Amino acid sequence: KQEVTQIPAALSVPEGENLVLNCSFTDSAIYNLQWFRQDPGKGLTSLLLIQSSQREQTSGRLNASLDKSSGRSTLYIAASQPGDSATYLCAPYSNTGKLIFGQGTTLQVKP
Amino acid sequence: EAGVAQSPRYKIIEKRQSVAFWCNPISGHATLYWYQQILGQGPKLLIQFQNNGVVDDSQLPKDRFSAERLKGVDSTLKIQPAKLEDSAVYLCASSHGQGSEKLFFGSGTQLSVL
Repeated sequence: KQEVTQIPAALSVPEGENLVLNCSFTDSAIYNLQWFRQDPGKGLTSLLLIQSSQREQTSGRLNASLDKSSGRSTLYIAASQPGDSATYLCAPYSNTGKLIFGQGTTLQVKP
Repeated sequence: EAGVAQSPRYKIIEKRQSVAFWCNPISGHATLYWYQQILGQGPKLLIQFQNNGVVDDSQLPKDRFSAERLKGVDSTLKIQPAKLEDSAVYLCASSHGQGSEKLFFGSGTQLSVL
């Protein structure tokens, strides 16, 4: 059974800092891994999707890496802004056909 | 392009009552999902449809929850009777193909059971 852990659970940083969010998963047999953003009272928005054959994926100030063999993924946010404040969730898609979510990291970027 | 539409946005009911949620996925998306998100937790998959067939409903409490996707387009999720622990946000998502593709989520229905 896939279990997903995200560390830290919450993070507060001043504007402009670079930061790393961590995700670990127990079953390395995955097709891909997605990172999502969730704003309070809203649904989830897909940020990045990394295929199992890829090592990393970039979009703007976001960079996600994947080490499937060790069951780890990181989301790197460069030059953080107050608008980045949200909950970030990682979700590996297993080869049993399920997308399993972590509990998320709640990020607050202070002006 | 229109996103995933869900209604109602909020619902408050008493325990043992019934409730239904509606979802209209993005046009052309074959796969539709219902997730339950309890406060402070990540979403948990309840049921996955491929067109109008069920792919996975292993975590759906079938004694009280039911879902259908008639004609392979919109879907309804029903709870009857509701329990206090059903208080959560119910999220609908869709993808063009199987779940290995990017998922698009609706804004969710926030259910409070009193």
